[in-house]
Amino acid sequence: AQKITQTQPGMFVQEKEAVTLDCTYDTSDPSYGLFWYKQPSSGEMIFLIYQGSYDQQNATEGRYSLNFQKARKSANLVISASQLGDSAMYFCAMREGNAGSARQLTFGSGTQLTVLP
Amino acid sequence: GAVVSQHPSWVICKSGTSVKIECRSLDFQATTMFWYRQFPKQSLMLMATSNEGSKATYEQGVEKDKFLINHASLTLSTLTVTSAHPEDSSFYICSARKRLAGGTEQYFGPGTRLTVT
Repeated sequence: AQKITQTQPGMFVQEKEAVTLDCTYDTSDPSYGLFWYKQPSSGEMIFLIYQGSYDQQNATEGRYSLNFQKARKSANLVISASQLGDSAMYFCAMREGNAGSARQLTFGSGTQLTVLP
Repeated sequence: GAVVSQHPSWVICKSGTSVKIECRSLDFQATTMFWYRQFPKQSLMLMATSNEGSKATYEQGVEKDKFLINHASLTLSTLTVTSAHPEDSSFYICSARKRLAGGTEQYFGPGTRLTVT
């Protein structure tokens, strides 16, 4: 079974508008961390935001916020005020275990976001 | 943050030759490094986990004799693709784990694009 599911292979958004990228996950571990990465065409993986399973509040980092719905096992990324430079591939990832866990990240299939001028 | 470098950033080699890719953590010591492989428009797939001073742990389906991993020091891991074939052409990304006060964090290198002709 897929541990991380991103159901939107491609998304379009108008510049300056907000967009939500979906991510659902599956784990039986009570401790886990959820991550979002941006991968532009250059290939580098850019860390955007992190949410721990025990965090009470949704994570925010500038224009990025994570809509964490634990009961639904979803961790959607919201990008506000989209910019042309936001056009990239976005990956949701999960690491099971606590913050000190030695386990690896498991990635979703990604969503290609295109911001239209 | 922390910096992870990869060298070379891109390489073209002939079928049957071997290619070595280096991954360095520039400003921290990484006891664990990860090697990922990414085909175009696809997600990152973990190939192996490399711990300093010990043998790498390979994921199912990854040939350890073809993809040789050496983690000789706390700042360097190498991936050697032996007897490369065109189907080995891919984007290879390393990641290094850094211990933090509250746990650990994983930092990605910029990737190496391998083309086998």
